[in-house]
Amino acid sequence: DSGVTQTPKHLITATGQRVTLRCSPRSGDLSVYWYQQSLDQGLQFLIQYYNGEERAKGNILERFSAQQFPDLHSELNLSSLELGDSALYFCASSLRGLGNTEAFFGQGTRLTVV
Amino acid sequence: AQKVTQAQTEISVVEKEDVTLDCVYETRDTTYYLFWYKQPPSGELVFLIRRNSFDEQNEISGRYSWNFQKSTSSFNFTITASQVVDSAVYFCALSSMDSNYQLIWGAGTKLIIKP
Repeated sequence: DSGVTQTPKHLITATGQRVTLRCSPRSGDLSVYWYQQSLDQGLQFLIQYYNGEERAKGNILERFSAQQFPDLHSELNLSSLELGDSALYFCASSLRGLGNTEAFFGQGTRLTVV
Repeated sequence: AQKVTQAQTEISVVEKEDVTLDCVYETRDTTYYLFWYKQPPSGELVFLIRRNSFDEQNEISGRYSWNFQKSTSSFNFTITASQVVDSAVYFCALSSMDSNYQLIWGAGTKLIIKP
């Protein structure tokens, strides 16, 4: 158990809908990262938050947004969903940035858009 | 630009064989960090090791060992006496200032251990 909790584990929704994925980092970790894993794109970094502030942005679509709350949990909001958004979404956390610390991953949320 | 190449898409071996997973990286930075993660069939990503660019000592952890060679920009992973439970996809990753310290991932190597 990595200590990172993601909910829900599975999500099935229709095109055009909006969903929220939730992540609780390991106790004491200040950084939260969101990744998307799909068959054709592999693992893609979406966004990082550090202690409530956005730290870095990767290949995150404008239809997607995230935030980190004062208690350090994070949410990833996906809107106007398309079939191509079906993927495994991972949250990870680390003590600081990834310069010299490792990230621990949650079990992922498998999103299926139908 | 940074890049991680895992040329072996899939490897299949019989239990108890030794197996090496290759990882070659590219970066212009002199300070960087290399990682290996395991993704078993259940889907989660499990951290295995982190190595910084100034530490070229090889590391051994039980049946797992890692060979870091800066001269060839490689960070290979060997499993000795493989077991069926080692079956998973293994990812190598790199982070450095050039990537704003975000993980740059290889495509992964699917390892199949047959009983």
